[in-house]
Amino acid sequence: GQQVMQIPQYQHVQEGEDFTTYCNSSTTLSNIQWYKQRPGGHPVFLIQLVKSGEVKKQKRLTFQFGEAKKNSSLHITATQTTDVGTYFCAGYPTSGTYKYIFGTGTRLKVLA
Amino acid sequence: DAGVIQSPRHEVTEMGQEVTLRCKPISGHDYLFWYRQTMMRGLELLIYFNNNVPIDDSGMPEDRFSAKMPNASFSTLKIQPSEPRDSAVYFCASSFPYLSYNEQFFGPGTRLTVL
Repeated sequence: GQQVMQIPQYQHVQEGEDFTTYCNSSTTLSNIQWYKQRPGGHPVFLIQLVKSGEVKKQKRLTFQFGEAKKNSSLHITATQTTDVGTYFCAGYPTSGTYKYIFGTGTRLKVLA
Repeated sequence: DAGVIQSPRHEVTEMGQEVTLRCKPISGHDYLFWYRQTMMRGLELLIYFNNNVPIDDSGMPEDRFSAKMPNASFSTLKIQPSEPRDSAVYFCASSFPYLSYNEQFFGPGTRLTVL
């Protein structure tokens, strides 16, 4: 079946270092969303990408959607302790029922 | 709006007991999703509803799980009988996918422990 994988599974960084998580789908996606889940919390929507090759920025966060619309990345510049959490991508297939497939998640730990 | 409301927030039960989880979606949202999250399996979609009608329940693990949405403001997920492997955090989410972003709004979750 359809799968959305993320790498790495875990990442520990020193505060101030950059961080990137990659999302890869087994099939072409119509769009992709990113969510952040703080420890003990629930996923919270960050952004949605729709167009091939699209790049969007939110302050220190940069999101990219691949040209083939099968992969995406989230890059955080100069991490802060408030960035701690698990980052999920969620892919919406080009066909089929209205169902986002969540990625496996990348857990980020920021060391002060 | 108060956001998606789930109850209870924590549930501890013994194997074999019936468990009912409740969800109130955001008013006006016509899609409702039930997810299960574990360390091993991540975030899994169990079932989703559109206008109170179940659309896709292919993620429901087995017949012990059932979900209903009797009206637009209430849904339940029932496990009967419960087993230790059902221990997880269960999230309900709702969405209104007709705006620029069809984001899902998640509730705080119910942490279920089956002893």
